[in-house]
Amino acid sequence: TQLLEQSPQFLSIQEGENLTVYCNSSSVFSSLQWYRQEPGEGPVLLVTVVTGGEVKKLKRLTFQFGDARKDSSLHITAAQPGDTGLYLCAGRFGNEKLTFGTGTRLTIIP
Amino acid sequence: NAGVTQTPKFQVLKTGQSMTLQCAQDMNHEYMSWYRQDPGMGLRLIHYSVGAGITDQGEVPNGYNVSRSTTEDFPLRLLSAAPSQTSVYFCASSYSLSLRYGYTFGSGTRLTVV
Repeated sequence: TQLLEQSPQFLSIQEGENLTVYCNSSSVFSSLQWYRQEPGEGPVLLVTVVTGGEVKKLKRLTFQFGDARKDSSLHITAAQPGDTGLYLCAGRFGNEKLTFGTGTRLTIIP
Repeated sequence: NAGVTQTPKFQVLKTGQSMTLQCAQDMNHEYMSWYRQDPGMGLRLIHYSVGAGITDQGEVPNGYNVSRSTTEDFPLRLLSAAPSQTSVYFCASSYSLSLRYGYTFGSGTRLTVV
């Protein structure tokens, strides 16, 4: 079983601050996705990255795939209370099904 | 589009009872799967299906059965509920397992076994 490690496990910051969360593996991903999950709901897909070094932006969220395709980061600029949630990374190794990390639980304090 | 619909939303069972969690999708997705989510454990794959009539085991299949008679439906059966099966269960579907396709999740079933 391939493992994905996410850090930090918990993060609580003030509204307006910037933050970065990380997703790491010892193996090479064939692709990586980020999901956000709100309380009482299922995860919702934010982005898919496939190419090493790829950067994608979704409004105030910036996703980066490591050059070696073993890690990824999610940066949020000027965090807002609506960004609160559980952020999950999910990676594919070869042609396998998605493997999910344990998540970063983010709380934005108004 | 309804997406992925799970029922019931909440359920309490007594140890030893059986039940079926329902999952239906209206997106003509070939791939469907069941996960359980427990604190600190992330999403763990129970069973999955790559098409009607085809199912396979995931990471934690013991105590659960599935079948896929149609493209739309993928029910999860608990044969004899145990307290260790207390969890939140999510059904997810995808057009395919190709690199660029993500999963669409249902809103979950919170199951408590007493």
